[in-house]
Amino acid sequence: NAGVTQTPKFQVLKTGQSMTLQCAQDMNHNSMYWYRQDPGMGLRLIYYSASEGTTDKGEVPNGYNVSRLNKREFSLRLESAAPSQTSVYFCASSEKDTQYFGPGTRLTVL
Amino acid sequence: QKEVEQNSGPLSVPEGAIASLNCTYSDRGSQSFFWYRQYSGKSPELIMFIYSNGDKEDGRFTAQLNKASQYVSLLIRDSQPSDSATYLCAVMDGGYSTLTFGKGTMLLVSP
Repeated sequence: NAGVTQTPKFQVLKTGQSMTLQCAQDMNHNSMYWYRQDPGMGLRLIYYSASEGTTDKGEVPNGYNVSRLNKREFSLRLESAAPSQTSVYFCASSEKDTQYFGPGTRLTVL
Repeated sequence: QKEVEQNSGPLSVPEGAIASLNCTYSDRGSQSFFWYRQYSGKSPELIMFIYSNGDKEDGRFTAQLNKASQYVSLLIRDSQPSDSATYLCAVMDGGYSTLTFGKGTMLLVSP
């Protein structure tokens, strides 16, 4: 089992560009999450999906959209990237309480 | 706004010592408590979870929970240089299972 996979690992964007971060899990988990991690700020929840077909906002949803494509895949889209979205993005999945994290995407917006 | 507070550190301990990491949380309705370890440049990995007041031991790790004081701690016995990492405390509320994370405490174990 690969667990939680994320693509790409690194990305550099210019202000105003758009991109989609991909996440997939092979653990048959119902719930999936997107976090961002900034120095000194800890992990902050952007969006989550409790089950296929549902999505909800987390603590910092502005500037992002998500799609729960199927039970395995949960994507995060930046429609118009801003320098404030420079961060490391982690996807996670869970069944019940325990969350398992992907390796992360390091995004820089110039 | 639910808050989870941790001392950012770094907490420096010599090899073989006990490292004590602390966490307080604001939401009295919190039901589940987690400790994640994160090495530099890597993703968080779960070390322990605890639901009930008291102690829970797993190898060199002991999690302690005091709901009345809204306090969670992690003790690492016989600390090793490989334990050097940032430790994240996370709290889950009694409703749907989203986690609120603290900012983490950096632990440095010197040989």
